[in-house]
Amino acid sequence: KAGVTQTPRYLIKTRGQQVTLSCSPISGHRSVSWYQQTPGQGLQFLFEYFSETQRNKGNFPGRFSGRQFSNSRSEMNVSTLELGDSALYLCASSLDGGAGQPQHFGDGTRLSIL
Amino acid sequence: GENVEQHPSTLSVQEGDSAVIKCTYSDSASNYFPWYKQELGKRPQLIIDIRSNVGEKKDQRIAVTLNKTAKHFSLHITETQPEDSAVYFCAATVYNQGGKLIFGQGTELSVKP
Repeated sequence: KAGVTQTPRYLIKTRGQQVTLSCSPISGHRSVSWYQQTPGQGLQFLFEYFSETQRNKGNFPGRFSGRQFSNSRSEMNVSTLELGDSALYLCASSLDGGAGQPQHFGDGTRLSIL
Repeated sequence: GENVEQHPSTLSVQEGDSAVIKCTYSDSASNYFPWYKQELGKRPQLIIDIRSNVGEKKDQRIAVTLNKTAKHFSLHITETQPEDSAVYFCAATVYNQGGKLIFGQGTELSVKP
């Protein structure tokens, strides 16, 4: 079975731009969660999507948004980029995000803001 | 709010020794506790997990223990090897929010040959 696939692997943007990241979950997995990883803040939960609906949300500003398609693929969008948005963005998938279900991570998209 | 504290932040051991990493969670409703290993430049990989109805779980050289009363859980690695060197993260999920993992700050484990 193919693992979680994230594209692109690397992105360089400038302040004020917007960016879209993509995540394809493991086949059969319907829950996709997104995390931001930085040296200072560690791994922080952004949001989770299940059946094309945002089910959980972390403490990030509204500039961070996402969506999920009928095939469970998910996209994350960040608008009006700031220097502090530079991070590794990871997505993880699980069967349905239920309690006790393992989440499997992709390799991440490394976003650099100049 | 939900919080997971992880200690120590760095840990250095000799090959063959044991390593222990401890985490404390704040939300008593947390019911699932996974541990991830992240090697440099790679994705976090699930190495072991435990559910709130279990006190201990083992998988070869690694084990996890859970104390629900004290709200803490620990990762134990025995007979450490250089390839165990990595950053280890503990995490907790909240009841009915299974897709949301709250992570500890990570422990950088270094195993010296």
